[in-house]
Amino acid sequence: AQSVTQLDSQVPVFEEAPVELRCNYSSSVSVYLFWYVQYPNQGLQLLLKYLSGSTLVKGINGFEAEFNKSQTSFHLRKPSVHISDTAEYFCAVSGVNAGNMLTFGGGTRLMVKP
Amino acid sequence: KAGVTQTPRYLIKTRGQQVTLSCSPISGHRSVSWYQQTPGQGLQFLFEYFSETQRNKGNFPGRFSGRQFSNSRSEMNVSTLELGDSALYLCASSIRSYNEQFFGPGTRLTVL
Repeated sequence: AQSVTQLDSQVPVFEEAPVELRCNYSSSVSVYLFWYVQYPNQGLQLLLKYLSGSTLVKGINGFEAEFNKSQTSFHLRKPSVHISDTAEYFCAVSGVNAGNMLTFGGGTRLMVKP
Repeated sequence: KAGVTQTPRYLIKTRGQQVTLSCSPISGHRSVSWYQQTPGQGLQFLFEYFSETQRNKGNFPGRFSGRQFSNSRSEMNVSTLELGDSALYLCASSIRSYNEQFFGPGTRLTVL
């Protein structure tokens, strides 16, 4: 079984500032890691994923994340945020033999202020 | 290419009733997964279907069931509705397992 902890429920940040959203996971098996974004009244959109290979993963909209196996973390970063990045962000994991079954963290609400 | 569609978008039911939600995946996608999203429990996996077979099931009571048709469209059913079943139900499709999942906009179910 897996579990995911998103350490911050809300992150306020000013426009054009950098941001990091933290995610830690726990699993007894190897995992795949994902970050999704949810805008109000919409479904989830995949930002980026780590399946294997380079631990630094680049995604859409200028986001990137780094997989750290020793610290079981997968933090999401963006060097300069925009108002339009205001949304809920979810970190998720799936066991390598678990098909498409995702375990999600509780979410982090990113609030970008002008 | 059209995205994942879910019908209906909004639904109001009363306790004890049953409900059926529908999901049409992206053309060519054979895997469909369902998730429940609530403020208290967050996003929780319900089940995944691939080629009409249930591949995985989350930790939900037997009142929650699903199926997938030969055209990959999927339905989920909740019987004997409880107030706690009020949630946003999200459907996601992918070409196959271990592949990027594309989410629909969800069906918001309110149980009164």
